[in-house]
Amino acid sequence: AQSVTQLGSHVSVSEGALVLLRCNYSSSVPPYLFWYVQYPNQGLQLLLKYTSAATLVKGINGFEAEFKKSETSFHLTKPSAHMSDAAEYFCAVTPNIASGTYKYIFGTGTRLKVLA
Amino acid sequence: DTGVSQDPRHKITKRGQNVTFRCDPISEHNRLYWYRQTLGQGPEFLTYFQNEAQLEKSRLLSDRFSAERPKGSFSTLEIQRTEQGDSAMYLCASSFGVVGEAFFGQGTRLTVV
Repeated sequence: AQSVTQLGSHVSVSEGALVLLRCNYSSSVPPYLFWYVQYPNQGLQLLLKYTSAATLVKGINGFEAEFKKSETSFHLTKPSAHMSDAAEYFCAVTPNIASGTYKYIFGTGTRLKVLA
Repeated sequence: DTGVSQDPRHKITKRGQNVTFRCDPISEHNRLYWYRQTLGQGPEFLTYFQNEAQLEKSRLLSDRFSAERPKGSFSTLEIQRTEQGDSAMYLCASSFGVVGEAFFGQGTRLTVV
């Protein structure tokens, strides 16, 4: 069984400050991990993905995430927040199995607010 | 490549009516997913197709819900005898290959009145 926990349903940062969104996962098999962003009334857009290659993953819009197996974490960071980063962010897990990805399990999301 | 397309974007229906949503995945994608998202929550898995075969359904998918993917192309999600609790955003996604990330459509927002 797999699950994702996102700590902090709301996070506020000042423009230019570090963004840190937390994600911890639980998986009985090696996982693939993803971060998605959702703007109001829109679908989800992939920010980055971990697929068992490099543990530090770089994504779009300056975001990156580090897979830490010992901590079962996949936290999302960005060195300097921009007003356009205000959105809802979802962490997702799917099992790394030979037959390929299938069911993605999502966290409950973190709403990021960027203060001017 | 125009991405994953969902139709309609919005649907308002009266309780007890049936509704059907359509999803057109990215053309070469063999996997297709339906999710339901309620306010303030992450997407909840409903069902998944690999080509035309429906491989898994969530317990959320009661006998009022049915999904099809004829010929492994577009998919439809039907909800019969809608209830107010069915009001949500219904998201479709598709992926390809062993490590394919899911690409999402913009969703269909259902309001049951």
